[in-house]
Amino acid sequence: AQKVTQAQTEISVVEKEDVTLDCVYETRDTTYYLFWYKQPPSGELVFLIRRNSFDEQNEISGRYSWNFQKSTSSFNFTITASQVVDSAVYFCALSERGRDDKIIFGKGTRLHILP
Amino acid sequence: NAGVMQNPRHLVRRRGQEARLRCSPMKGHSHVYWYRQLPEEGLKFMVYLQKENIIDESGMPKERFSAEFPKEGPSILRIQQVVRGDSAAYFCASSPAGISYEQYFGPGTRLTVT
Repeated sequence: AQKVTQAQTEISVVEKEDVTLDCVYETRDTTYYLFWYKQPPSGELVFLIRRNSFDEQNEISGRYSWNFQKSTSSFNFTITASQVVDSAVYFCALSERGRDDKIIFGKGTRLHILP
Repeated sequence: NAGVMQNPRHLVRRRGQEARLRCSPMKGHSHVYWYRQLPEEGLKFMVYLQKENIIDESGMPKERFSAEFPKEGPSILRIQQVVRGDSAAYFCASSPAGISYEQYFGPGTRLTVT
């Protein structure tokens, strides 16, 4: 069965610190996609990244970076030099290629960046 | 190029009333998905539709909830006889045909049942 686990319910860090959000997934498919979304206090979902299961290269986008490790079924997200505007709920999610319908979301990690 | 549109953005209903949530997919997208986000939870899949066809409704509650995506017009998620437990954010996503991993999400409708 497919499942996404975000063990960290809530994290608080002081501005400018680095922070890593953990994500562990379960799937039986060999082809799947992993996502991260940001949900700011305004409530909309902001797409951050999609990664397919065949691409294990780490990705960096500005202060954001992602570490995909198939061996541990993890897709962790790091924010470097955090800013107050990074405060939000972050969701990790999974979509299986063999099931062309749903995206499975984790329960989210609420990140507080303290000034 | 407009994204996925949902309306209303906020909806207040009294217990027992009906709620209708609308979703207009992105231009060129023929597939629509509805998700529900209960307070302090992640999004949960409800239903997947193509035009005039329900493909997967495995996440829909068995009673009071229905969805449609007519040939013309937006997709509608209908909740009859709402209860307090229906209070949630309802997100719609759309994708091109056959590319479900490219789902684009709308801003959501926040339903409050009083």
